[in-house]
Amino acid sequence: DQQVKQNSPSLSVQEGRISILNCDYTNSMFDYFLWYKKYPAEGPTFLISISSIKDKNEDGRFTVFLNKSAKHLSLHIVPSQPGDSAVYFCAAVVSSGSARQLTFGSGTQLTVLP
Amino acid sequence: KAGVTQTPRYLIKTRGQQVTLSCSPISGHRSVSWYQQTPGQGLQFLFEYFSETQRNKGNFPGRFSGRQFSNSRSEMNVSTLELGDSALYLCASNSGVINEKLFFGSGTQLSVL
Repeated sequence: DQQVKQNSPSLSVQEGRISILNCDYTNSMFDYFLWYKKYPAEGPTFLISISSIKDKNEDGRFTVFLNKSAKHLSLHIVPSQPGDSAVYFCAAVVSSGSARQLTFGSGTQLTVLP
Repeated sequence: KAGVTQTPRYLIKTRGQQVTLSCSPISGHRSVSWYQQTPGQGLQFLFEYFSETQRNKGNFPGRFSGRQFSNSRSEMNVSTLELGDSALYLCASNSGVINEKLFFGSGTQLSVL
């Protein structure tokens, strides 16, 4: 029972264009969402997060949008760069919990073509 | 500041053996979490330790266990290894503040033959 789903295993985008990575969740208790990026042979690194009280959060080229009614979030990368090629994981957490248990999606491999 | 350090980086074991993985968190971090990554499954939560106490546990069999020492270093043990235990095991740390991002190590790649 996957509570966080990334239905696109891979995405290819031309350099300079927009990359849009999608994530759906089923647990309405999730109230905090994060995106992590992972290069081969490295651990995931934090990219951007959003609280459920917001519908948008921006950090440079990265913007995360949250649609609570649809239980959907997306990560926009503009403009995309070849160095952005990596696996992107979305993750969700229930803030009221006392523990740091993130529920991750299965990841989307982004390839930015030069 | 040194990052999260996991040892060893690679490990090959055979079915039925047991294995211990080690994780040294970022200095000052008291929370250590463990995740299993397999192809197509994303990262699955194993357990979290805070101040030497297990605070939460994921849906893994009892063959998976862990502990945390007084210096916040953590170990994860898997007994009676099965082929399906082959995976990348990731350790993450933070100070334990709610919703604080996790800092991950590079992982230990375990292969069970």
